[in-house]
Amino acid sequence: DTEVTQTPKHLVMGMTNKKSLKCEQHMGHRAMYWYKQKAKKPPELMFVYSYEKLSINESVPSRFSPECPNSSLLNLHLHALQPEDSALYLCASSHQGALNTEAFFGQGTRLTVV
Amino acid sequence: AQSVTQPDIHITVSEGASLELRCNYSYGATPYLFWYVQSPGQGLQLLLKYFSGDTLVQGIKGFEAEFKRSQSSFNLRKPSVHWSDAAEYFCAVAPPGNAGNMLTFGGGTRLMVKP
Repeated sequence: DTEVTQTPKHLVMGMTNKKSLKCEQHMGHRAMYWYKQKAKKPPELMFVYSYEKLSINESVPSRFSPECPNSSLLNLHLHALQPEDSALYLCASSHQGALNTEAFFGQGTRLTVV
Repeated sequence: AQSVTQPDIHITVSEGASLELRCNYSYGATPYLFWYVQSPGQGLQLLLKYFSGDTLVQGIKGFEAEFKRSQSSFNLRKPSVHWSDAAEYFCAVAPPGNAGNMLTFGGGTRLMVKP
């Protein structure tokens, strides 16, 4: 199994809503990532989890709250988002601390904030 | 700080023609180098990667890339393009020694294929 599964595929939410994005992998990877991709732009790193602990936060606003409840799951909790947060949110995973490996990406969640 | 430049925002080629997508990077040492492809509204699929060793790297779907240290380049090539290759292509770098971590992407090149 070399899949990273993201749910939901599409999400429309109001600025006062609270929602969560989910990501799951069963490849035994201990590093997991959230990337944000605006339309016609490259993905940008948001968060990195290493052994279920947050290791990198790329100055992301607090309205985005990541969580890694176990080694297979990664969540992104959303609250009080703005329309400019509309984007494709990509989850990825990789082996941690192993040389010569690479990140596997999910299909993404297309988020629209209205 | 590392950066990746893909000089061509759009490229159009005829089906069956050869393809070269350019990628230049700026980094203190030789980073790990990747090419990803993304179809509209989809995630990223890894085409190939370079960590060390042979500078000509073979990937999936008939793609190859050549690492040239002197030019800080990692250009992607395919000898004969198929209509299904139409997509967005991203070159990316990562710090050596921790390849899956902290990818920095270039701006992307959108490939269009004429019949």
